[in-house]
Amino acid sequence: GQSLEQPSEVTAVEGAIVQINCTYQTSGFYGLSWYQQHDGGAPTFLSYNALDGLEETGRFSSFLSRSDSYGYLLLQELQMKDSASYFCAVRDPDSWGKLQFGAGTQVVVTP
Amino acid sequence: NAGVTQTPKFRVLKTGQSMTLLCAQDMNHEYMYWYRQDPGMGLRLIHYSVGEGTTAKGEVPDGYNVSRLKKQNFLLGLESAAPSQTSVYFCASSSIAGGASQPQHFGDGTRLSIL
Repeated sequence: GQSLEQPSEVTAVEGAIVQINCTYQTSGFYGLSWYQQHDGGAPTFLSYNALDGLEETGRFSSFLSRSDSYGYLLLQELQMKDSASYFCAVRDPDSWGKLQFGAGTQVVVTP
Repeated sequence: NAGVTQTPKFRVLKTGQSMTLLCAQDMNHEYMYWYRQDPGMGLRLIHYSVGEGTTAKGEVPDGYNVSRLKKQNFLLGLESAAPSQTSVYFCASSSIAGGASQPQHFGDGTRLSIL
């Protein structure tokens, strides 16, 4: 099976930078995804990394190191609207259509 | 552009009652999924489907049944509801085209309470 570990909560002030780490264990790797979920809302897709390195999308960036089974999501220039839960996820190697999600990191942005 | 639509949005049941949660997607996606999410926890896969007429068990299938008679619809049934099934249920869909990079698209959720 697979397992993912990410911190349960991170608190930061507006304008700051937050890094959410995710370490994973899987018998077959098909990339690391990140999803955002606001309280009471649906998860929405943020990013996907299949290869090592940094992918940037506006204020958010995602990094992957396959040799370390590690990735992170970087949130820059934090805004109040970034307060949400962030989940990393990996594909099930036996059925890659399935995703295994981490327990999520709640990001709290304070004024 | 509706995307993934879940019905109902809220429901309260008594223990032992049955109900069906409906999920419809208009993106012609092959894959569909049912998850449950409990406070402070991630998403746990209940059942999923890789195409019309096919279903498979996920991580927490006990107490649930599913059907996918049409490509665009995925139904989740609770035959005899239990308080432990109080949760928020999310339906999602994804395309097979493009491989593992394809994201899952989620509905807004069904908030279900079992008394």
